[in-house]
Amino acid sequence: SQTIHQWPATLVQPVGSPLSLECTVEGTSNPNLYWYRQAAGRGLQLLFYSVGIGQISSEVPQNLSASRPQDRQFILSSKKLLLSDSGFYLCAWSVGQYYEQYFGPGTRLTVT
Amino acid sequence: EDKVVQSPLSLVVHEGDTVTLNCSYEVTNFRSLLWYKQEKKAPTFLFMLTSSGIEKKSGRLSSILDKKELFSILNITATQTGDSAIYLCAVGTGTASKLTFGTGTRLQVTL
Repeated sequence: SQTIHQWPATLVQPVGSPLSLECTVEGTSNPNLYWYRQAAGRGLQLLFYSVGIGQISSEVPQNLSASRPQDRQFILSSKKLLLSDSGFYLCAWSVGQYYEQYFGPGTRLTVT
Repeated sequence: EDKVVQSPLSLVVHEGDTVTLNCSYEVTNFRSLLWYKQEKKAPTFLFMLTSSGIEKKSGRLSSILDKKELFSILNITATQTGDSAIYLCAVGTGTASKLTFGTGTRLQVTL
């Protein structure tokens, strides 16, 4: 069966510090991968998606970036965090043309 | 710009009540509509609907899609405290199986 991992679970970072969040998927090959951000009490905003290694599409211009160095690994990064980057970050995967996405446990980021 | 709107934003009901959650959408290239339940962390998948008028059912939860009027409803009968959660509606469009999410409905079921 498929499993998706995200870490860390929680993170408190000062403004201006770098960020690296990691997501890995097990049990499937060539998944579509997604990064979402959820502000408190709000819906999910798609940040990046990837259909293959090295293929990244950005949905929202911001100071975040994403990379996919391996088939089942997706990384969200920032060189300098802003207060507005605080939120709940979720990684998700899907397969092929299927719209069902399955989510990781999330990372709660607080920028202070 | 694709748009998904959910109503109500929040709802408090008593255990045993029946609730109806609404989701309307304005998108280009509609492919499917999905419902998720989010308790504390990761949203969990409930239903995917692609055809109008065909009800999907799982236990006390059911959902239906109207592609002409561009909306879906999620019904929960005989609510229980374990149904307390945020219910998210999402619409699948275009390539890469992308989803556009609504802001969610926060449901609280009290004893």
